Amino acid sequence: SYVLTQPPSVSVAPGQTATFTCGGKHIGSKTVHWYQQRPGQAPVLVVYDDSDRPSGIPERFSGTNSGNTATLAISRVEAGDEADYYCQVWDGSSNLVVFGGGTKLTVL
Amino acid sequence: QVQMVQSGVEVKKPGASVVVSCKASGYTFTSLGIGWVRQAPGQGLQWMGWISAYNGNTRIVDNLQGRLTLTTDTSTTTAYMELRDLRADDTAVYYCARRFRNNFDFWGQGTLVTVS
Repeated sequence: SYVLTQPPSVSVAPGQTATFTCGGKHIGSKTVHWYQQRPGQAPVLVVYDDSDRPSGIPERFSGTNSGNTATLAISRVEAGDEADYYCQVWDGSSNLVVFGGGTKLTVL
Repeated sequence: QVQMVQSGVEVKKPGASVVVSCKASGYTFTSLGIGWVRQAPGQGLQWMGWISAYNGNTRIVDNLQGRLTLTTDTSTTTAYMELRDLRADDTAVYYCARRFRNNFDFWGQGTLVTVS
Protein backbone atom coordinates (compact mmCIF):
# COMPACT_ATOMS: atom_id res chain seq x y z
CA SER A 1 0.00 0.00 0.00
CA TYR A 2 1.04 3.60 -0.51
CA VAL A 3 3.17 5.12 2.25
CA LEU A 4 3.66 8.77 3.20
CA THR A 5 6.71 9.63 5.27
CA GLN A 6 6.93 12.71 7.51
CA PRO A 7 9.69 13.68 9.94
CA PRO A 8 8.47 13.42 13.53
CA SER A 9 9.36 16.96 14.56
CA VAL A 10 10.29 20.41 13.37
CA SER A 11 11.43 23.32 15.54
CA VAL A 12 11.52 26.96 14.52
CA ALA A 13 11.83 30.35 16.18
CA PRO A 14 8.94 32.83 16.03
CA GLY A 15 8.96 34.85 12.85
CA GLN A 16 10.90 32.25 10.89
CA THR A 17 9.60 29.83 8.26
CA ALA A 18 8.66 26.26 9.18
CA THR A 19 8.90 23.65 6.45
CA PHE A 20 7.22 20.24 6.56
CA THR A 21 8.02 17.51 4.10
CA CYS A 22 5.86 14.58 3.03
CA GLY A 23 7.61 11.89 1.05
CA GLY A 24 5.96 9.33 -1.18
CA LYS A 25 6.72 7.47 -4.40
CA HIS A 26 5.82 9.76 -7.29
CA ILE A 27 3.76 11.89 -4.92
CA GLY A 28 3.98 14.68 -7.47
CA SER A 29 1.47 12.74 -9.56
CA LYS A 30 -1.01 12.75 -6.69
CA THR A 31 -2.95 15.54 -5.01
CA VAL A 32 -1.79 16.36 -1.49
CA HIS A 33 -3.76 17.86 1.38
CA TRP A 34 -2.45 19.16 4.71
CA TYR A 35 -4.09 19.33 8.14
CA GLN A 36 -3.21 21.15 11.32
CA GLN A 37 -4.16 19.53 14.62
CA ARG A 38 -3.69 21.54 17.78
CA PRO A 39 -3.54 19.58 21.07
CA GLY A 40 -6.93 18.26 22.08
CA GLN A 41 -8.65 19.55 18.96
CA ALA A 42 -9.94 18.11 15.71
CA PRO A 43 -7.81 18.45 12.57
CA VAL A 44 -8.26 21.49 10.36
CA LEU A 45 -7.63 21.51 6.62
CA VAL A 46 -4.99 24.16 5.89
CA VAL A 47 -3.95 23.34 2.32
CA TYR A 48 -5.77 21.26 -0.28
CA ASP A 49 -4.99 20.22 -3.84
CA ASP A 50 -1.25 20.71 -3.24
CA SER A 51 -1.33 24.49 -2.85
CA ASP A 52 -4.83 25.93 -2.35
CA ARG A 53 -5.97 27.41 0.95
CA PRO A 54 -9.47 27.04 2.36
CA SER A 55 -11.32 30.17 3.30
CA GLY A 56 -9.99 31.59 6.54
CA ILE A 57 -6.52 30.06 6.33
CA PRO A 58 -3.81 32.76 6.35
CA GLU A 59 -1.61 33.34 3.31
CA ARG A 60 1.32 32.37 5.54
CA PHE A 61 0.41 28.75 4.75
CA SER A 62 1.58 27.49 1.35
CA GLY A 63 2.14 24.14 -0.32
CA THR A 64 4.09 22.62 -3.20
CA ASN A 65 4.29 19.14 -4.64
CA SER A 66 6.77 17.67 -7.08
CA GLY A 67 8.68 14.46 -7.69
CA ASN A 68 8.73 12.38 -4.52
CA THR A 69 8.17 15.18 -2.00
CA ALA A 70 5.32 17.49 -1.07
CA THR A 71 6.02 20.46 1.17
CA LEU A 72 3.99 22.66 3.48
CA ALA A 73 5.55 25.96 4.52
CA ILE A 74 4.41 28.32 7.24
CA SER A 75 6.03 31.74 7.04
CA ARG A 76 6.28 34.19 9.94
CA VAL A 77 5.60 31.42 12.43
CA GLU A 78 3.63 32.31 15.56
CA ALA A 79 3.24 30.54 18.89
CA GLY A 80 -0.31 29.63 17.89
CA ASP A 81 1.01 27.55 14.98
CA GLU A 82 2.31 24.93 17.41
CA ALA A 83 0.52 21.76 16.41
CA ASP A 84 0.83 18.46 14.60
CA TYR A 85 0.73 18.65 10.81
CA TYR A 86 -0.43 15.74 8.65
CA CYS A 87 -0.26 15.23 4.91
CA GLN A 88 -2.88 13.13 3.11
CA VAL A 89 -3.45 11.73 -0.35
CA TRP A 90 -5.98 9.53 -2.04
CA ASP A 91 -4.33 6.55 -3.68
CA GLY A 92 -6.41 5.90 -6.77
CA SER A 93 -4.90 2.50 -7.52
CA SER A 94 -6.16 1.07 -4.23
CA ASN A 95 -9.00 3.55 -3.61
CA LEU A 96 -7.61 4.26 -0.15
CA VAL A 97 -6.99 7.45 1.78
CA VAL A 98 -3.50 7.62 3.25
CA PHE A 99 -2.24 9.90 6.00
CA GLY A 100 1.36 10.59 6.82
CA GLY A 101 2.52 9.93 10.35
CA GLY A 102 2.47 13.62 11.24
CA THR A 103 5.08 16.20 12.19
CA LYS A 104 5.03 18.06 15.48
CA LEU A 105 5.87 21.74 15.20
CA THR A 106 7.58 23.30 18.20
CA VAL A 107 7.88 27.09 18.26
CA LEU A 108 11.00 27.91 20.26
CA GLN B 1 -22.06 27.51 8.12
CA VAL B 2 -21.08 23.88 7.84
CA GLN B 3 -21.13 21.96 11.11
CA MET B 4 -20.47 18.34 11.97
CA VAL B 5 -21.63 17.45 15.47
CA GLN B 6 -20.83 14.06 16.93
CA SER B 7 -22.33 12.03 19.75
CA GLY B 8 -20.69 11.82 23.15
CA VAL B 9 -18.13 9.74 24.98
CA GLU B 10 -18.55 5.98 24.99
CA VAL B 11 -17.13 3.34 27.32
CA LYS B 12 -17.50 -0.23 26.16
CA LYS B 13 -16.47 -3.72 27.20
CA PRO B 14 -14.37 -5.89 24.89
CA GLY B 15 -16.57 -7.71 22.41
CA ALA B 16 -19.30 -5.06 22.50
CA SER B 17 -20.36 -2.73 19.69
CA VAL B 18 -20.41 1.06 19.50
CA VAL B 19 -22.34 3.45 17.31
CA VAL B 20 -21.12 7.01 16.81
CA SER B 21 -23.39 9.53 15.12
CA CYS B 22 -22.43 12.62 13.14
CA LYS B 23 -25.07 15.28 12.48
CA ALA B 24 -24.25 17.42 9.44
CA SER B 25 -25.72 20.83 8.73
CA GLY B 26 -25.11 23.91 6.62
CA TYR B 27 -24.87 22.23 3.22
CA THR B 28 -26.77 19.83 0.96
CA PHE B 29 -26.10 16.54 2.73
CA THR B 30 -26.49 14.30 -0.30
CA SER B 31 -24.05 16.30 -2.42
CA LEU B 32 -20.95 15.08 -0.58
CA GLY B 33 -19.68 12.08 1.35
CA ILE B 34 -18.65 11.52 4.94
CA GLY B 35 -15.33 10.07 6.00
CA TRP B 36 -14.38 8.49 9.31
CA VAL B 37 -10.92 8.82 10.86
CA ARG B 38 -9.69 7.58 14.20
CA GLN B 39 -6.77 8.52 16.39
CA ALA B 40 -5.45 6.23 19.11
CA PRO B 41 -3.95 7.94 22.18
CA GLY B 42 -0.70 9.66 21.24
CA GLN B 43 -0.87 8.35 17.68
CA GLY B 44 -1.53 9.74 14.22
CA LEU B 45 -4.64 9.83 12.06
CA GLN B 46 -5.96 6.57 10.64
CA TRP B 47 -8.55 6.64 7.88
CA MET B 48 -11.29 4.08 8.41
CA GLY B 49 -13.51 4.54 5.41
CA TRP B 50 -16.07 6.75 3.77
CA ILE B 51 -19.63 6.72 2.54
CA SER B 52 -21.44 8.55 -0.21
CA ALA B 53 -24.43 10.36 1.24
CA TYR B 54 -25.90 10.35 -2.26
CA ASN B 55 -26.14 6.60 -2.85
CA GLY B 56 -24.74 4.92 0.27
CA ASN B 57 -21.70 3.43 -1.47
CA THR B 58 -18.88 2.76 0.97
CA ARG B 59 -15.16 2.07 0.95
CA ILE B 60 -13.75 0.58 4.15
CA VAL B 61 -10.14 -0.21 4.92
CA ASP B 62 -9.26 -3.88 4.67
CA ASN B 63 -8.37 -4.37 8.32
CA LEU B 64 -11.81 -3.18 9.46
CA GLN B 65 -13.86 -5.09 6.90
CA GLY B 66 -16.40 -7.24 8.66
CA ARG B 67 -16.39 -5.12 11.85
CA LEU B 68 -17.19 -1.65 10.53
CA THR B 69 -20.47 -0.45 9.04
CA LEU B 70 -21.06 3.08 7.74
CA THR B 71 -24.54 4.36 7.08
CA THR B 72 -26.37 7.64 6.53
CA ASP B 73 -29.89 8.85 7.20
CA THR B 74 -30.69 11.51 4.64
CA SER B 75 -33.92 12.49 6.42
CA THR B 76 -31.95 13.67 9.44
CA THR B 77 -28.65 14.45 7.65
CA THR B 78 -26.85 12.14 10.04
CA ALA B 79 -24.06 9.67 9.41
CA TYR B 80 -23.40 6.65 11.61
CA MET B 81 -20.33 4.55 12.30
CA GLU B 82 -20.83 1.14 13.93
CA LEU B 83 -17.80 -0.81 15.06
CA ARG B 84 -18.39 -4.32 16.38
CA ASP B 85 -16.40 -6.84 18.40
CA LEU B 86 -14.47 -4.07 20.10
CA ARG B 87 -10.94 -4.66 21.30
CA ALA B 88 -8.66 -2.68 23.57
CA ASP B 89 -6.74 -1.34 20.59
CA ASP B 90 -9.96 0.21 19.23
CA THR B 91 -9.66 2.78 22.04
CA ALA B 92 -9.38 6.07 20.18
CA VAL B 93 -10.99 9.37 19.31
CA TYR B 94 -13.25 8.84 16.32
CA TYR B 95 -13.84 11.72 13.90
CA CYS B 96 -16.33 12.20 11.12
CA ALA B 97 -15.46 14.68 8.40
CA ARG B 98 -17.10 15.98 5.28
CA ARG B 99 -15.50 14.58 2.17
CA PHE B 100 -14.78 17.30 -0.39
CA ARG B 101 -13.41 15.60 -3.45
CA ASN B 102 -10.64 13.54 -1.84
CA ASN B 103 -9.94 15.63 1.24
CA PHE B 104 -11.81 16.39 4.46
CA ASP B 105 -12.77 20.02 4.78
CA PHE B 106 -14.98 20.09 7.88
CA TRP B 107 -14.53 17.83 10.89
CA GLY B 108 -16.63 16.83 13.84
CA GLN B 109 -15.35 17.51 17.33
CA GLY B 110 -14.42 13.86 17.89
CA THR B 111 -15.87 11.10 20.03
CA LEU B 112 -13.72 9.27 22.56
CA VAL B 113 -14.41 5.55 22.61
CA THR B 114 -12.75 3.63 25.43
CA VAL B 115 -12.71 -0.15 25.38
CA SER B 116 -11.98 -1.57 28.80
